[in-house]
Amino acid sequence: SAVISQKPSRDICQRGTSLTIQCQVDSQVTMMFWYRQQPGQSLTLIATANQGSEATYESGFVIDKFPISRPNLTFSTLTVSNMSPEDSSIYLCSGYGERGAGEQFFGPGTRLTVL
Amino acid sequence: SQQGEEDPQALSIQEGENATMNCSYKTSINNLQWYRQNSGRGLVHLILIRSNEREKHSGRLRVTLDTSKKSSSLLITASRAADTASYFCAPITSYNTDKLIFGTGTRLQVFP
Repeated sequence: SAVISQKPSRDICQRGTSLTIQCQVDSQVTMMFWYRQQPGQSLTLIATANQGSEATYESGFVIDKFPISRPNLTFSTLTVSNMSPEDSSIYLCSGYGERGAGEQFFGPGTRLTVL
Repeated sequence: SQQGEEDPQALSIQEGENATMNCSYKTSINNLQWYRQNSGRGLVHLILIRSNEREKHSGRLRVTLDTSKKSSSLLITASRAADTASYFCAPITSYNTDKLIFGTGTRLQVFP
């Protein structure tokens, strides 16, 4: 199994600013993902974080708004850029140990409020 | 992968009762996973059932899979207040084994 931590756990930010969320895994994982969960909603996949290359974004999400880095197999960052109140959500990262083998491990989430 | 649709959207029961929630999906799958999310927190993997399995148990959890009906059910027996959470299914298809696509989930409330 893998334990995933996220920083910060929560933040309150001003409109127009950017926030970088860090995701750290205690062991190497092949795949890492970023999700958004808006208030009262389910999780929506933002992108797959690829090690050493550009992330793969889902429909409706773009790199300029959500730049993602993954410099190695245990760490990734998600930046929420030029924030607006609509970006207020919980952002979660997750990872797979063995590709296609089963369970995905999730971080505890970062609760973002944009004023 | 594809999105599963959970039913009901919300379920309220008393402690000690059983809770059953269902998941439907549209295309053939490799496996199907169930996750739990306590309020505003990360998801926790509960159980994985493969397409060639019909039933699987883990503690108080029982999952069934009917591939002919493209449906799965999660039964929680002898529920506890601590089971209060949202429950999501995630069908995994053979052509995309990596991504989890979540539906709206079932919000379970267990009253003491």
